[in-house]
Amino acid sequence: EDQVTQSPEALRLQEGESSSLNCSYTVSGLRGLFWYRQDPGKGPEFLFTLYSAGEEKEKERLKATLTKKESFLHITAPKPEDSATYLCAVHWWSGTASKLTFGTGTRLQVTL
Amino acid sequence: SAVISQKPSRDICQRGTSLTIQCQVDSQVTMMFWYRQQPGQSLTLIATANQGSEATYESGFVIDKFPISRPNLTFSTLTVSNMSPEDSSIYLCSAEGASYEQYFGPGTRLTVT
Repeated sequence: EDQVTQSPEALRLQEGESSSLNCSYTVSGLRGLFWYRQDPGKGPEFLFTLYSAGEEKEKERLKATLTKKESFLHITAPKPEDSATYLCAVHWWSGTASKLTFGTGTRLQVTL
Repeated sequence: SAVISQKPSRDICQRGTSLTIQCQVDSQVTMMFWYRQQPGQSLTLIATANQGSEATYESGFVIDKFPISRPNLTFSTLTVSNMSPEDSSIYLCSAEGASYEQYFGPGTRLTVT
């Protein structure tokens, strides 16, 4: 059973064309949701933590929001350097242990 | 935040041999983690490494195949033992921050021939 699902799998945008990436989750006992950026051949780079529904975080052209069952990463007027894979990860309590489950990512390509 | 370094960055190994990957953190951390990432795939947790205790392995991963050491609060190693081509992957270590976020190293790209 998929507990963290990201969509779309891949997204191609033109420079300046704003869009949103989705991360939906079915875990209970959410303790936090993280967004990461991963460039090819590198480890994931931490972007944001969201803890509760209604919370928003911003960094440059990126804004992350959280509802009870999903999170969105909005990219405003993207540039080619925003091209990367964006991963979300859900931090949750399984009843016996703290867990971090990653989604499969959205590959974003921004072209001129 | 924490800065993580890994060695080696990549290696090509023969079937049946073992490789030890080192992970160094620039500050003291309680929790460190080891992940595997297949090309184009997401991250799969191998084990959690706490200083002073045995590593905790996820389902499908065993200590004999992936022994882990955690001798202090800034360092950990993962050994991939008796390697087969199926072990070819990117291995990542991470350290947990104050708010449970994880900071990742650059990864070790392993190819087994």
